[in-house]
Amino acid sequence: DADVTQTPRNRITKTGKRIMLECSQTKGHDRMYWYRQDPGLGLRLIYYSFDVKDINKGEISDGYSVSRQAQAKFSLSLESAIPNQTALYFCATSGRDRGFIDTDTQYFGPGTRLTVL
Amino acid sequence: GQNIDQPTEMTATEGAIVQINCTYQTSGFNGLFWYQQHAGEAPTFLSYNVLDGLEEKGRFSSFLSRSKGYSYLLLKELQMKDSASYLCAVRDLGGFQKLVFGTGTRLLVSP
Repeated sequence: DADVTQTPRNRITKTGKRIMLECSQTKGHDRMYWYRQDPGLGLRLIYYSFDVKDINKGEISDGYSVSRQAQAKFSLSLESAIPNQTALYFCATSGRDRGFIDTDTQYFGPGTRLTVL
Repeated sequence: GQNIDQPTEMTATEGAIVQINCTYQTSGFNGLFWYQQHAGEAPTFLSYNVLDGLEEKGRFSSFLSRSKGYSYLLLKELQMKDSASYLCAVRDLGGFQKLVFGTGTRLLVSP
């Protein structure tokens, strides 16, 4: 079973609709992240959360909101989708890995391909 | 802020060795990561460098020079399945040690 899962994997919606993307993890990590990826722009951070009571904006949070329902669950919402939010969305988690060095490596879910018409 | 540069695209032949470079300019530095990403799939972790020098992991090695703001990923004995994008990411210093990603290098391995 995958450590980080995202649902749905693909979604096509219309302008103005509310959309929720969900992320769950079984890695036991406390930190979770939402990124979007666009061709030629790389991965950009939307929101991040260090624990259930901690939510922070990333570099491109406008038009998005998040909810950390539990340590293992982090949802991203588009309140009123617009076409330029068409992108590949990734959830990631990080936490203290076993070993001598605390690398806080981020591990990514499989992604959600969102198309806004 | 952070600025990360890597070549957009590279080509190489099966069995060969390829080096993918990454240069960065940062206000703070707390580690550099390399990820592999096949088209339409999730980035997967390859390597982490925080100290100067070479880290070797099988066919893949990663090098870091903090004084030069420079890293490279070395792929040996290339296989067709190595065709993918390779993302360089730098971790910032500070309360939230966010990752800043480069735009990635697309590697095409041909027979």
